[in-house]
Amino acid sequence: LAKTTQPISMDSYEGQEVNITCSHNNIATNDYITWYQQFPSQGPRFIIQGYKTKVTNEVASLFIPADRKSSTLSLPRVSLSDTAVYYCLVGDPYGGYQKVTFGIGTKLQVIP
Amino acid sequence: EPEVTQTPSHQVTQMGQEVILRCVPISNHLYFYWYRQILGQKVEFLVSFYNNEISEKSEIFDDQFSVERPDGSNFTLKIRSTKLEDSAMYFCASSHLRSRDRVNMNTEAFFGQGTRLTVV
Repeated sequence: LAKTTQPISMDSYEGQEVNITCSHNNIATNDYITWYQQFPSQGPRFIIQGYKTKVTNEVASLFIPADRKSSTLSLPRVSLSDTAVYYCLVGDPYGGYQKVTFGIGTKLQVIP
Repeated sequence: EPEVTQTPSHQVTQMGQEVILRCVPISNHLYFYWYRQILGQKVEFLVSFYNNEISEKSEIFDDQFSVERPDGSNFTLKIRSTKLEDSAMYFCASSHLRSRDRVNMNTEAFFGQGTRLTVV
C-alpha cells in the first residue's frame, strides 16, 4: 500500500478555500485516492474518492495530476464546522485498501 | 441516510475481563471492519470480515481478539482478557462488495460512532 505524506496541521479563516495536498510517490496503477474527515470522538467519514483528473461532489473537489503522485483536496468556503482531521488514503479499493492504518492526517483549524 | 450503529457508546471494564463490542452494519453491505483509535493517535485497522470469515487482519489482532457475525445483522468484536492498553475508541465500519465489474460503485467504508472502551 502506497505511503502518503500530508501536512500535520493547517489553519484557515472562515469563508476561504482550503487546499490540502497529499503526496503518494509510489502509487500503483490500481490505486485510488480517498479522503476521509474525522471530528473528535467520531468515526471517520468518507469525503471523496478519485483515480485521475478531477472529481467533484457536493462537499469537496479532488484534483489529481497526470502522474498521480500527489492529490489535492479542495474545500470551498470553509466554515467552523469543517474543523476536523482530514486523512488521505491510497490503495486499491478492490484489494483491501480499507485495511490500512489511516496515518496522522491533517488537522484543519478554521478560525472565525 | 443508512448508518452503522455501535453499542455501547462507552464501556468500562476491569483488566482481565472479557468485553463484547457490538455493531450493526449497513444492511446491504457485505464487508465489515473493526478499527481502533487510541486517544490522540492514528486510526488503526484491526480486521476485515467477508462471507462469514476473516479476510484480513493486522498484527494488533492477536489471539485475544475475535469477531463474529452471530446473526444476519450484528457484527461483534470480542476481547477475551482486556489489558490496560486496550483502552481506545473502537470503530466498526462496513462497505459494499468490491468488484471490478462495478467500477462506478462507491467502495468507501461507512464508520459507526464508535465505542469508547476504558480498561481499569
